[in-house]
Amino acid sequence: TQLLEQSPQFLSIQEGENLTVYCNSSSVFSSLQWYRQEPGEGPVLLVTVVTGGEVKKLKRLTFQFGDARKDSSLHITAAQPGDTGLYLCAGAIRNNRKLIWGLGTSLAVNP
Amino acid sequence: GAGVSQTPSNKVTEKGKYVELRCDPISGHTALYWYRQSLGQGPEFLIYFQGTGAADDSGLPNDRFFAVRPEGSVSTLKIQRTERGDSAVYLCASSQTGGLLTTDTQYFGPGTRLTVL
Repeated sequence: TQLLEQSPQFLSIQEGENLTVYCNSSSVFSSLQWYRQEPGEGPVLLVTVVTGGEVKKLKRLTFQFGDARKDSSLHITAAQPGDTGLYLCAGAIRNNRKLIWGLGTSLAVNP
Repeated sequence: GAGVSQTPSNKVTEKGKYVELRCDPISGHTALYWYRQSLGQGPEFLIYFQGTGAADDSGLPNDRFFAVRPEGSVSTLKIQRTERGDSAVYLCASSQTGGLLTTDTQYFGPGTRLTVL
């Protein structure tokens, strides 16, 4: 069974703080995606990382793909209440069109 | 429309009843996925269509679940003899090429919240 462990499961922080969410697996992924989901809506893709060691930045969000392509992290700088939501990572296995999903990190940013 | 749409947005049914959930993907997308999501958790894969055919139905929990996509566009997820454990949000997603490219993006609909009483 291919698992993608995501941590922490819940995170409640104050506005302006920094945070990091982790996704780890024993499997090697051809790519890994990060999504954000708000209540009552489907997940929305934030970024896809493909190359081992790759770092992508999206405003205050920094995404990193591990050198071995088994893990990834999402770092948010100076979190804002608008960042509140469920963050999900999902990995793609080569030649397998299914995504392997983490359980998600529920983030609450308090003003 | 521009995005993936799903109907109904909410469905309440009684145990043992039959339900159909509809997904209208983005026009031109060849791949369509069905997922099930419990509160606060990630999506659980159910079935994937490439065109009209079910390319991978390994996620369907049992034979009460069935999905079709007869014309390669709209898809219907059908659940027979519903059980309380079927209660969840059922998400549909579509993508342009069906994951043939590692960077293929899945676009999700808002989901159908199914409640089985």
